[in-house]
Amino acid sequence: NAGVMQNPRHLVRRRGQEARLRCSPMKGHSHVYWYRQLPEEGLKFMVYLQKENIIDESGMPKERFSAEFPKEGPSILRIQQVVRGDSAAYFCASSGLNTEAFFGQGTRLTVV
Amino acid sequence: AQSVTQLDSHVSVSEGTPVLLRCNYSSSYSPSLFWYVQHPNKGLQLLLKYTSAATLVKGINDFEAEFKKSETSFHLTKPSAHMSDAAEYFCVGLASGGSYIPTFGRGTSLIVHP
Repeated sequence: NAGVMQNPRHLVRRRGQEARLRCSPMKGHSHVYWYRQLPEEGLKFMVYLQKENIIDESGMPKERFSAEFPKEGPSILRIQQVVRGDSAAYFCASSGLNTEAFFGQGTRLTVV
Repeated sequence: AQSVTQLDSHVSVSEGTPVLLRCNYSSSYSPSLFWYVQHPNKGLQLLLKYTSAATLVKGINDFEAEFKKSETSFHLTKPSAHMSDAAEYFCVGLASGGSYIPTFGRGTSLIVHP
């Protein structure tokens, strides 16, 4: 049973481009969470999804950010028109209902 | 509502001495609590978890934590620090019956001196 898989591990984008971050949850997990970690800071919750549904997006910036978790395939965190301030590590976690979350290795986004 | 508070942003110890990283929680529900470790530029690794079974929880690498309901605490300890323990440690709460979103403390950076 593979762990939570995130790809790419490193992503470089120019300002104004789009970034697409992928997260494949552990087998059997239907809950996915996205977190952002800015340099020297902790993990800030962004969005919580179950299959085909956004449950809580209270941590998502109002513009340019979106997330989905389709019935088939990985969860996607999409950042449109990236700016330098979007440079961060983005972590995905998955869980069953009320069980511990397992984290991926993260995607480190650098905007140049 | 629930929150997790890590009381120290940095803890500095000498190699071979005990480690204490403090965490308090606030929750309207019985929580599940976890400690994760993050080494520089790495992902998160689960150290241990409390899920309402034994209040003293043993984890990997000789770490342990004790859930104290009267103090609403879940402090992480280790009897003897190693250089390889230098990392960022996160206390995470999950409130059963409430939001299922893992809630992170701000993190404690453990520094180990030779």
